[in-house]
Amino acid sequence: SAVISQKPSRDICQRGTSLTIQCQVDSQVTMMFWYRQQPGQSLTLIATANQGSEATYESGFVIDKFPISRPNLTFSTLTVSNMSPEDSSIYLCSVLYLESNTEAFFGQGTRLTVV
Amino acid sequence: AQSVSQHNHHVILSEAASLELGCNYSYGGTVNLFWYVQYPGQHLQLLLKYFSGDPLVKGIKGFEAEFIKSKFSFNLRKPSVQWSDTAEYFCAVQSQVFLVFGKGTRLSVIA
Repeated sequence: SAVISQKPSRDICQRGTSLTIQCQVDSQVTMMFWYRQQPGQSLTLIATANQGSEATYESGFVIDKFPISRPNLTFSTLTVSNMSPEDSSIYLCSVLYLESNTEAFFGQGTRLTVV
Repeated sequence: AQSVSQHNHHVILSEAASLELGCNYSYGGTVNLFWYVQYPGQHLQLLLKYFSGDPLVKGIKGFEAEFIKSKFSFNLRKPSVQWSDTAEYFCAVQSQVFLVFGKGTRLSVIA
C-alpha cells in the first residue's frame, strides 16, 4: 500500500487567487491522478500527472486553470488558478502501481472553500 | 464513455438490518470493479475489488459484492449493518488506468 500526504488539508481562499496543493507519496508510483469531489457529487478525474511532461487533462479541465506538475515519481502538485466559488470542492490525489495491478490509493483530500 | 450508476442516494437502516447497494456500469469491455468507503472526516478506503475469477468477492468488515456480467452490475451487500458502517459508499469502474466513480450512496445506520 501507499502512504499519501496531501497539503494543505483544507483552506479558505479569496476569489481571484490561486492555491497549490501538494501530494507526496512514500514510494515510487507509476501513475498519479488528481480528482475533484464537488459538494454532493462524485469524484471526477481532473487529469493524469505525467512525470517530466505535461499532464493529460480530461474533458472540461484545462491546463491554464489547473496546472499540474510532477517532477519525480513520488511528488505532484495541483494548482487551482484564479479561483471562484464554483471551485469550492475537495481535491484528491490518487496513485496507482500499474505493475502490480492493485487498487488505487487516495490521499485524505484538500477541502477548498472559495469566498 | 464509461458511466457508473448508483441507484440510491441516501439509505437509512436500523442496526442489524441487511444492506444492498446497487451499482451498474456502462462499458462493454473488460473492467475492474471497486467499492470504496468514506467515513465522516476520513479519506477514501477500499472495501473490496473484483478483477477476475469468482464473481462473489469478500471485502473488509463483512462486506461482499457480486459481479453479474450480464447485468453490468456490482452490488454491495452486508448481512447485518452496524452503526459504525455509517459512511458514503462509492462504486468505481476501471477500464483503462483511472477510475470512474458513481455518485455515491450515503448510508446512515440508526440504533
